[in-house]
Amino acid sequence: SYELTQPPSVSVSPGQTARITCSGDALPKQYAYWYQQKPGQAPVLVIYKDSERPSGIPERFSGSSSGTTVTLTISGVQAEDEADYYCQSADSSGLVFGGGTKLTVL
Amino acid sequence: QVQLVQSGAEVKKPGSSVKVSCKASGGTFSSYAISWVRQAPGQGLEWMGRIIPILGIANYAQKFQGRVTITADKSTSTAYMELSSLRSEDTAVYYCARAVGGVEWIVATETYYYYYYMDVWGKGTTVTVSS
Repeated sequence: SYELTQPPSVSVSPGQTARITCSGDALPKQYAYWYQQKPGQAPVLVIYKDSERPSGIPERFSGSSSGTTVTLTISGVQAEDEADYYCQSADSSGLVFGGGTKLTVL
Repeated sequence: QVQLVQSGAEVKKPGSSVKVSCKASGGTFSSYAISWVRQAPGQGLEWMGRIIPILGIANYAQKFQGRVTITADKSTSTAYMELSSLRSEDTAVYYCARAVGGVEWIVATETYYYYYYMDVWGKGTTVTVSS
């Protein structure tokens, strides 16, 4: 199996840019996905295949990949973006989640 | 728009089993995979396993091998996750999710990339294991 590592927390002020990283040795050979989860709710897919945005997800959410690290960027952070964010990757045998990052909007 | 409706909360004794259902409505059930993910209180997401209903083939995370069984009934568009030998550490919210997966050829790197992600989630089923 393999692991994905995320920082436990990230804090930003409203209107600033938040960057949440996810690192893993398998990421150069696998896509990454990002989910947003608010308290008491199910996760929501916000980025798939490293940088694709599902319909209905605001343009301020973007994803990028470089080597063993993928990054979720939220530009112009809003109060409603405060949530836990999880990265995920997969191979043919299964999938794994990162430990999650709590985004706090100050 | 497909929706996944999960069964209600359960309270179980240690050593017993629980079976959670996930019924799909508003879309094509068999064309996708269904994954099960759990989340213990205050913890992160943990993948348990998945099934491709049209094939009836399931595979499981190593951690749960031998203790979890995932099945699907195409006639009712319902997937099931059964977890046995319950212990207090299994107290969690259990989610089902529709999964999109496949393989694609990446021209730039001349390699195949496998992709698998969950685009529709159920609201979750709380399972409490307590004596």
